[in-house]
Amino acid sequence: QKEVEQDPGPLSVPEGAIVSLNCTYSNSAFQYFMWYRQYSRKGPELLMYTYSSGNKEDGRFTAQVDKSSKYISLFIRDSQPSDSATYLCAMSPAYSGAGSYQLTFGKGTKLSVIP
Amino acid sequence: EPEVTQTPSHQVTQMGQEVILRCVPISNHLYFYWYRQILGQKVEFLVSFYNNEISEKSEIFDDQFSVERPDGSNFTLKIRSTKLEDSAMYFCASSLTDEKLFFGSGTQLSVL
Repeated sequence: QKEVEQDPGPLSVPEGAIVSLNCTYSNSAFQYFMWYRQYSRKGPELLMYTYSSGNKEDGRFTAQVDKSSKYISLFIRDSQPSDSATYLCAMSPAYSGAGSYQLTFGKGTKLSVIP
Repeated sequence: EPEVTQTPSHQVTQMGQEVILRCVPISNHLYFYWYRQILGQKVEFLVSFYNNEISEKSEIFDDQFSVERPDGSNFTLKIRSTKLEDSAMYFCASSLTDEKLFFGSGTQLSVL
């Protein structure tokens, strides 16, 4: 079983729709969960960062973590054409003291928001 | 807003040649990383660097790879003898004290 699984899509929605993006993971050592947005030929851009189970909201974006199910989600409300990008989930174990925060990424879900 | 800067944006090289990819991390950050993304695949961890030494490295980061922070601002990745399979987008990232990594726009390396 792969450490982090993410449906690559593509996902196409009309403008204004609610988008739900998901990742599952197998490694119970993961404690920190992030969502990155990546535009074509650009670097990942940090969107959301969560530590514990529960919800975290930032504007139109809500990140949800369920550690018991090893499942994380990103919801985008009132989606806009500018949200069209690839969304990557990423996870990290608790800091080991080794001087490194090593992220494990999902493959990314390509989202298109159609005007 | 501070950002991670990478140069060049594209690098084409012949197999067996040495390449150096350059990065300027965010100025007050303490942790530095290289990741790579082969076309259509996941972003993969290569190496982390803290306190002027490698702190962790992946299986990909073999003896052909090295990193250096030659001064207070630059962070470089050297590939000594490039192989076809080294063709990928290479991302530099930095973080201050935690898991929030900030990535540069990447260097697309093409090995011919």
